[in-house]
Amino acid sequence: DTGVSQDPRHKITKRGQNVTFRCDPISEHNRLYWYRQTLGQGPEFLTYFQNEAQLEKSRLLSDRFSAERPKGSFSTLEIQRTEQGDSAMYLCASSLGTAGREKLFFGSGTQLSVL
Amino acid sequence: DQQVKQNSPSLSVQEGRISILNCDYTNSMFDYFLWYKKYPAEGPTFLISISSIKDKNEDGRFTVFLNKSAKHLSLHIVPSQPGDSAVYFCAACETSGSRLTFGEGTQLTVNP
Repeated sequence: DTGVSQDPRHKITKRGQNVTFRCDPISEHNRLYWYRQTLGQGPEFLTYFQNEAQLEKSRLLSDRFSAERPKGSFSTLEIQRTEQGDSAMYLCASSLGTAGREKLFFGSGTQLSVL
Repeated sequence: DQQVKQNSPSLSVQEGRISILNCDYTNSMFDYFLWYKKYPAEGPTFLISISSIKDKNEDGRFTVFLNKSAKHLSLHIVPSQPGDSAVYFCAACETSGSRLTFGEGTQLTVNP
């Protein structure tokens, strides 16, 4: 059981730079989610994929954010022209199912610090 | 607007006693509720869930109670163990939705 893997664990960048995070879900899971968590808050939904299709995006996902899941396997989340307000923990989760009620398996997250 | 609220940022209990964590919600479209537990440097892990057609769900030491009229749910842990010390998140899902809306979390500390 390899679980959900996220890379890198930590990322420090300067304001204005682009960053990309990777998530490898549990292999048989068809759904993949991205959440963002800031200090003292719970995770906030960003977007999710069912297989390779991106089915829903939060209004939190500005046009500087883009997510992909080619071939329905791993996913990448890119943030362009980073801002200090982007500093957060970015969590990936995966699940097996279509009903939206299945439990999510989360990775350990990527901690982004924008200086 | 915070649709799921956990008003207690922290809770401290003695080992062996009951821990009660509370959660309130405002969105009437929520009909499925979950609790997640999070240790430092790890992602949240699923603990227990409840559908709105039930008012109670039990799994070992963990029981979740749902009061739909009050839009309130609670997680009971009995007996509490030091290994239960973690941040607990309440989450909710709408009937036709796939996204979870999380509360702010409650840090539970179980003292030996």
